[in-house]
Amino acid sequence: GAGVSQTPSNKVTEKGKYVELRCDPISGHTALYWYRQSLGQGPEFLIYFQGTGAADDSGLPNDRFFAVRPEGSVSTLKIQRTERGDSAVYLCASNLGQNTGELFFGEGSRLTVL
Amino acid sequence: DAKTTQPPSMDCAEGRAANLPCNHSTISGNEYVYWYRQIHSQGPQYIIHGLKNNETNEMASLIITEDRKSSTLILPHATLRDTAVYYCIVRGTSGTYKYIFGTGTRLKVLA
Repeated sequence: GAGVSQTPSNKVTEKGKYVELRCDPISGHTALYWYRQSLGQGPEFLIYFQGTGAADDSGLPNDRFFAVRPEGSVSTLKIQRTERGDSAVYLCASNLGQNTGELFFGEGSRLTVL
Repeated sequence: DAKTTQPPSMDCAEGRAANLPCNHSTISGNEYVYWYRQIHSQGPQYIIHGLKNNETNEMASLIITEDRKSSTLILPHATLRDTAVYYCIVRGTSGTYKYIFGTGTRLKVLA
């Protein structure tokens, strides 16, 4: 489809393991955002890219979290030494540029850390 | 932190207008008001946005007060499919372009 695609849709891992979550934005969208959402809460901003560079990473909770977007399209969110508190739905969104209106969200990747 | 405050929940009868309020008393002159909604287990969906004039599209109307310190999202004829969490967001047009979501209003449309 032509929407934002996130993989995997579900990931179960053990505490301490490394996890990668992938986001394929809509073709031509230069801005890409990562959020995480815990049950009953609104989406929590993590980081956004304009092109290949991270324009604002102020929401990354600690240095276990890292995101890349090497070619300005696909992005990967990387979580090292996962903890149970990292369990959440990780949402990706994109739009035509950081100063344009509508954000298009994917369906999210549900991460469960046992 | 979110720059907006919304009631945690509201009910609306099917077919009636749903009016969802939002306070953003610290809004700056270059900041837009955005509305998104999230239906259970889906990603948020854009509804509408505005700066100072009222806006209308096929989904909803956005009414912004003259002092811009509050706004109301209006769903003119609510249906059961409009049951969702509605988020009001204030976002700037310079510096950082991040969208900060609050906890939103859980709207339940009743048959």
